Amino acid sequence: DAKTTQPTSMDCAEGRAANLPCNHSTISGNEYVYWYRQIHSQGPQYIIHGLKNNETNEMASLIITEDRKSSTLILPHATLRDTAVYYCIVKMDSNYQLIWGAGTKLIIKP
Amino acid sequence: DAGVTQSPTHLIKTRGQQVTLRCSPKSGHDTVSWYQQALGQGPQFIFQYYEEEERQRGNFPDRFSGHQFPNYSSELNVNALLLGDSALYLCASSLLVGGGQANEKLFFGSGTQLSVL
Repeated sequence: DAKTTQPTSMDCAEGRAANLPCNHSTISGNEYVYWYRQIHSQGPQYIIHGLKNNETNEMASLIITEDRKSSTLILPHATLRDTAVYYCIVKMDSNYQLIWGAGTKLIIKP
Repeated sequence: DAGVTQSPTHLIKTRGQQVTLRCSPKSGHDTVSWYQQALGQGPQFIFQYYEEEERQRGNFPDRFSGHQFPNYSSELNVNALLLGDSALYLCASSLLVGGGQANEKLFFGSGTQLSVL
């Protein structure tokens, strides 16, 4: 079973920041938080991952709470092309597989 | 630089038949993972291949088998197809970032849509 909880769906206005929450209250010390997204009819796309510290790349920012029980993915200026299902995943260092939940369907509205 | 390529893109089979799906990893990648994605659900891990060996396997029956070739490409074979095997089959290759298994990000192909009638 997935170890994360995400809202089923969210809306965001184009040009605004999209903030996608994820709860992972049972995360252990050696588990990383990964975010992927899947645009309709395509394979999933890696976005970002982190362990303890906040992370930022050209696509998004990942904010992890100090107790590591939750995180937020931030898309700073959402565009219509960001409409997708976003998956939050925790992955143990020694494990090779990703265990996916149902994700959050993010709809960007003009 | 070609990404992960999968073939065929679509396939229709009947129950009891066998199917082979193919995957070429992103250039420079040596690890291939296979996932099954049913409609409306997240992907489920089937297995991962590294150095031509199955490194880890998910909760799938022995009807699902695979192979990795010396050039790192991979095949997924499914025998005795069931209606429930209808799904999108995704292949992903890995890039180690900063060393360590957890520091890897997966690059996915667009998948093979398998329909079993």
